[in-house]
Amino acid sequence: DAGVIQSPRHEVTEMGQEVTLRCKPISGHNSLFWYRQTMMRGLELLIYFNNNVPIDDSGMPEDRFSAKMPNASFSTLKIQPSEPRDSAVYFCASSLWDSPDTQYFGPGTRLTVL
Amino acid sequence: RKEVEQDPGPFNVPEGATVAFNCTYSNSASQSFFWYRQDCRKEPKLLMSVYSSGNEDGRFTAQLNRASQYISLLIRDSKLSDSATYLCVVKVPQGAQKLVFGQGTRLTINP
Repeated sequence: DAGVIQSPRHEVTEMGQEVTLRCKPISGHNSLFWYRQTMMRGLELLIYFNNNVPIDDSGMPEDRFSAKMPNASFSTLKIQPSEPRDSAVYFCASSLWDSPDTQYFGPGTRLTVL
Repeated sequence: RKEVEQDPGPFNVPEGATVAFNCTYSNSASQSFFWYRQDCRKEPKLLMSVYSSGNEDGRFTAQLNRASQYISLLIRDSKLSDSATYLCVVKVPQGAQKLVFGQGTRLTINP
């Protein structure tokens, strides 16, 4: 069975550029989560969706970050403009709404902003 | 104060040893607790849930102390393959789907 799919796996960009990270959740899962992981701050929840609707975006660091989920099988996290402090691993995870305790993570996107 | 706090380690123990990690959480209304495992440069994966009465899964035992707001994980007869970072995870009070992750405890099992 296919797990959560993320692309790209690695992204290197220059400060000021727009970055778009993509995620395909597990088929049938109706909750989707975006996390960011750094050495300093650990794993932080940025935003999560239920049935394609954003439920809690309190973890989104600032207006430069935006996330969308146009349908049940696709979500994007966009950073515009990117800054060096955005360098991190970004994980997408999905779960069933009635089983939120078990989240399945994608392999992550390693972002480096120069 | 962080919502979930763990000793970051690293813990270096010989193969076959028993090792224990603790974790504390700040929100007394938290209801669900977990341990996730994360291998180097990989994604986190659920290791086990933590139940009020304590629970065991093979060599792994998890316990919850609500009064003191701490969670523990015990690994017996440790294997080289147990080397990983162990993340303590707490679900915020009912009504939300949010999991809060600790910083993780890094464990290395030495041959």
